[in-house]
Amino acid sequence: EVQLVESGGGLVQPGGSLRLSCAASGFTFSSYWMHWVRQAPGKGLVWVSRINSDGSSTSYADSVKGRFTISRDNAKNTLYLQMNSLRAEDTAVYYCARVVVGATTRPGLGLRYWGQGTLVTVSS
Amino acid sequence: QSALTQPASVSGSPGQSITISCTGTSSDVGGYNYVSWYQQHPGKAPKLMIYDVSNRPSGVSNRFSGSKSGNTASLTISGLQAEDEADYYCSSYTSSSTDVVFGGGTKLTVL
Repeated sequence: EVQLVESGGGLVQPGGSLRLSCAASGFTFSSYWMHWVRQAPGKGLVWVSRINSDGSSTSYADSVKGRFTISRDNAKNTLYLQMNSLRAEDTAVYYCARVVVGATTRPGLGLRYWGQGTLVTVSS
Repeated sequence: QSALTQPASVSGSPGQSITISCTGTSSDVGGYNYVSWYQQHPGKAPKLMIYDVSNRPSGVSNRFSGSKSGNTASLTISGLQAEDEADYYCSSYTSSSTDVVFGGGTKLTVL
């Protein structure tokens, strides 16, 4: 059974940092591109970042570029999101998600499996 | 990057069919057959319903179908059921500096 479990969320002051983790199991983690998607309270889904299967290629939303860093450790089956210079508008539930098909370099694949999400609150 | 445009809400009666539109540009929806649709119930994680415009992942009911014409993609739900009441989001690959853009979401109400 595919499982994605996020952790690392919490309350942080503006300007602070957090590192989110996403522990993956039930599939060959190193074969799949992974994404982070966030959802502010009562709002819609917003794409945050993507990393390819071996970690050599990443992409970011304009709103987080230069502040957030996505990475992965395929030996530990874990995805990360390092978030620096946090702002109030970064407050959201952060989901990690796995694409529908593995062993491909094709972009734009749908996000088949999602974690339960971890809440990040940026407030003084 | 601008979000894809979806209607804020749609509604239908049980057994009816409804269609949700998702309008983008030639840089996203119109340029690639990489449109996905997600269903999200309150307090739950999103669920992939359609990918690559019209493909259904295993386990998704065939009452859900997707299509695209020009810069607009559509999700059709036939034989509406009470359990279909949820928020629906479209997304597309984009040739902009980012990878993915989502729509603003559509709240489906089953009357």
